[in-house]
Amino acid sequence: NAGVTQTPKFQVLKTGQSMTLQCAQDMNHNSMYWYRQDPGMGLRLIYYSASEGTTDKGEVPNGYNVSRLNKREFSLRLESAAPSQTSVYFCASENYGYTFGSGTRLTVV
Amino acid sequence: AQTVTQSQPEMSVQEAETVTLSCTYDTSESDYYLFWYKQPPSRQMILVIRQEAYKQQNATENRFSVNFQKAAKSFSLKISDSQLGDAAMYFCAYRSRGVEYGNKLVFGAGTILRVKS
Repeated sequence: NAGVTQTPKFQVLKTGQSMTLQCAQDMNHNSMYWYRQDPGMGLRLIYYSASEGTTDKGEVPNGYNVSRLNKREFSLRLESAAPSQTSVYFCASENYGYTFGSGTRLTVV
Repeated sequence: AQTVTQSQPEMSVQEAETVTLSCTYDTSESDYYLFWYKQPPSRQMILVIRQEAYKQQNATENRFSVNFQKAAKSFSLKISDSQLGDAAMYFCAYRSRGVEYGNKLVFGAGTILRVKS
């Protein structure tokens, strides 16, 4: 099925652990995004990539790194997880319209 | 920077009735896009309706329509003949038209819509 695939769907981390959230799209979109969703705050942009080889910070980039591996894949890395990073994470791609992944619920204990 | 405000954290509507969700935004731009997204418990983000700022006509998609007031920077969503499947979180979102802003979406905090049978 065409769309945006995110893995994993759920994850529990201990404070200080690292992990990478994977995202891949098969629609040949240039732009890709990582958002986090927190209660009462909507979705906030962490990082985005307007095209292969470029990445830029969004509204809340602290504590995260990203890699645009190729046109299809855009990963989000937490080097040292903190409880404040407990959230639902969405990847999206865009080309005259947004397509969202199904989200990753991350809990940091 | 652009901001989007949804002042109603939660709304309720009786099945088959009409409900309006409010959204206001702040921008200095004259050309942009506005969206309403639906997020059911499955977490999936579903596009409900899209409005282009340069179009004066309000967008409509079946039971969903918007009241776009550009001067007032207001973009409300009206749901007619509400159905149980409409129960969800609804997000209002803004996107600049200029590519220099990276086509980023700016979201409001969301409104939870409950539908009573």
